[in-house]
Amino acid sequence: NAGVMQNPRHLVRRRGQEARLRCSPMKGHSHVYWYRQLPEEGLKFMVYLQKENIIDESGMPKERFSAEFPKEGPSILRIQQVVRGDSAAYFCASSPVAVGVEQYFGPGTRLTVT
Amino acid sequence: EDKVVQSPLSLVVHEGDTVTLNCSYEVTNFRSLLWYKQEKKAPTFLFMLTSSGIEKKSGRLSSILDKKELFSILNITATQTGDSAIYLCAVGWDSGYALNFGKGTSLLVTP
Repeated sequence: NAGVMQNPRHLVRRRGQEARLRCSPMKGHSHVYWYRQLPEEGLKFMVYLQKENIIDESGMPKERFSAEFPKEGPSILRIQQVVRGDSAAYFCASSPVAVGVEQYFGPGTRLTVT
Repeated sequence: EDKVVQSPLSLVVHEGDTVTLNCSYEVTNFRSLLWYKQEKKAPTFLFMLTSSGIEKKSGRLSSILDKKELFSILNITATQTGDSAIYLCAVGWDSGYALNFGKGTSLLVTP
C-alpha cells in the first residue's frame, strides 16, 4: 500500500540550472497538488492537476515554474533557471476526488540552490 | 485574504502532560478544517472536521471545531516523546481545491 512517492528527496542545483521534481500519487488517486514550504513559513499551495489537465495554478509563480501530469507516469514540477529564493521543500499531495476529502502528502523534495 | 493562524508557535512539555493546540481561521466559504502531524517527512493526516461541536477522536488525540467562533483545537492527552512533531492546521473552502495552511505548532515532549 504505497503512499505518495516523490523523488528525488534532495536536489542541489546551481543558479541558472533546471530542477525537475517528480510525484507519483497514491494508487487510485488521480488528483495531484503541489505545495511549497519555505523556511519559517507554512505550506503554500502552488498548483492542482488531474491527468493531462492543469485545473488551478493560482499559486504558481508566473515565470520559470511549470507543472504537468501526463496520461502515463508521474506528475512533474519543473523550475527553470533556478534562483536562491527557490530553495525550499516541495511537497506533493494526492486525493481520490477533487474536494471534500483529505489530501495525502509525500515526503517532499528538498531543493537547495547554490 | 484568507488566513489560518496557529498558536502557540512552539511548546515544550513533559511526558504525561496534556496539551491543547489552537487554530483560528478567516476563510470565505469554509468547507473543512484538517489537522496534520509533520515529523521529518510527509505530513500525516490526523483529522478532518466539517461540523461544529462534533469531537473526532483517535487514541490520545482528539479535535473539535467551532464554526461560529472560527477555531479548532487539537488535544493530546498523556503525551509521549513520539508526539514530538510540528502540528499543521489547514482549511479548505467551497470554491477551491487547495488547502490553506497555518505555520504550525512545534511540540517537543521531553522525557
